[in-house]
Amino acid sequence: GDSVTQTEGQVALSEEDFLTIHCNYSASGYPALFWYVQYPGEGPQFLFRASRDKEKGSSRGFEATYNKEATSFHLQKASVQESDSAVYYCALRANNNNRIFFGDGTQLVVKP
Amino acid sequence: EAAVTQSPRSKVAVTGGKVTLSCHQTNNHDYMYWYRQDTGHGLRLIHYSYVADSTEKGDIPDGYKASRPSQENFSLILELASLSQTAVYFCASSDRQGYAEQFFGPGTRLTVL
Repeated sequence: GDSVTQTEGQVALSEEDFLTIHCNYSASGYPALFWYVQYPGEGPQFLFRASRDKEKGSSRGFEATYNKEATSFHLQKASVQESDSAVYYCALRANNNNRIFFGDGTQLVVKP
Repeated sequence: EAAVTQSPRSKVAVTGGKVTLSCHQTNNHDYMYWYRQDTGHGLRLIHYSYVADSTEKGDIPDGYKASRPSQENFSLILELASLSQTAVYFCASSDRQGYAEQFFGPGTRLTVL
């Protein structure tokens, strides 16, 4: 079945560090891929999406590139800030339905 | 701006009691969803709905019922609450268009004692 794997449960960085959160997926065809962010006490918020191979999604300084060959959609940011501390979810939506499958989430902690 | 509201925001229930969680959206979206969030498990889909008066089972429907009486409202019902249903519950809505993102409510923290 369709699934998303986030390998890091938690990532701890200092301000201005480079961020990578890994996301790999399993699905047939070309599913839409998403990143969501969840701040403490809030519901998840849509960050951006990509739906074609080699398409780059981006928002608020975060970006990820759809890689069909590697079945990956890794989240990156060049210089993180303390305010980026949150839980980040990778998700996919298969072509044949409107359900979204979420990964287990990655807790990002940025120290000043 | 899309808006999804949930009530109550927090609830304490007794084991074996009935619990109803409510969700209201003003986005004019066709699709609505109920998720459960537990530490280490991310978001798991309980029930969802494509249209009023119809609901579908998600990945973990056991112990839960859902009701969609109108396009705007979607309820999650725990007929016999159990300790294992202590969690944070999120409602979401989305448009029917392809690749549409989901808009989430603020969540309901449910504690079953």
